[in-house]
Amino acid sequence: KQEVTQIPAALSVPEGENLVLNCSFTDSAIYNLQWFRQDPGKGLTSLLLIQSSQREQTSGRLNASLDKSSGRSTLYIAASQPGDSATYLCALTPISSGSARQLTFGSGTQLTVLP
Amino acid sequence: DTGVSQNPRHKITKRGQNVTFRCDPISEHNRLYWYRQTLGQGPEFLTYFQNEAQLEKSRLLSDRFSAERPKGSFSTLEIQRTEQGDSAMYLCASSLNARDRWNQETQYFGPGTRLLVL
Repeated sequence: KQEVTQIPAALSVPEGENLVLNCSFTDSAIYNLQWFRQDPGKGLTSLLLIQSSQREQTSGRLNASLDKSSGRSTLYIAASQPGDSATYLCALTPISSGSARQLTFGSGTQLTVLP
Repeated sequence: DTGVSQNPRHKITKRGQNVTFRCDPISEHNRLYWYRQTLGQGPEFLTYFQNEAQLEKSRLLSDRFSAERPKGSFSTLEIQRTEQGDSAMYLCASSLNARDRWNQETQYFGPGTRLLVL
């Protein structure tokens, strides 16, 4: 059974700092990994999708990496801003053709960027 | 931009009552998922549909829960005889499963329905 862990549960940084959020998982063989953002009381917004065959993806100030051999992914946020404050969740989904794509989530890291 | 919508956004009910939630997916999406999220946790998978067929259900989905997607478009999730432990955010997501892009499928989430059972 896939298990996804995110540490720390909460993180506070001053504005402008670069930061790294961590995600670890137990089964990486045939999974894509996705990073989401969730604002308080709201749904999830997809940030980046890393396919099982890829090692990283970039979007603006965000860079996500995937290391299947160690069962880890990181989300790097450059030059953090107060608007980045949210909970960040990583999730894995099996990708065998025809299979359901239910996501298995970590419990998230609550990020606060202080002005 | 017509993303995934969910109604109602909030629901307060008394223990023992039945509740029904609705999800309208992105129009061309053929897959629809339901998740449940409790405070401080990530969402947990409940069930999913490919078009109108319900193909998988989690063991979290007790017999008090039922979901439908009658015409392969919107979906409803009903909880009968609600219990306080049902209090959670119920999230719906949709995706397009296409043969030529099956390994790039991305789920798009709605804003959720927050349920409070008193």
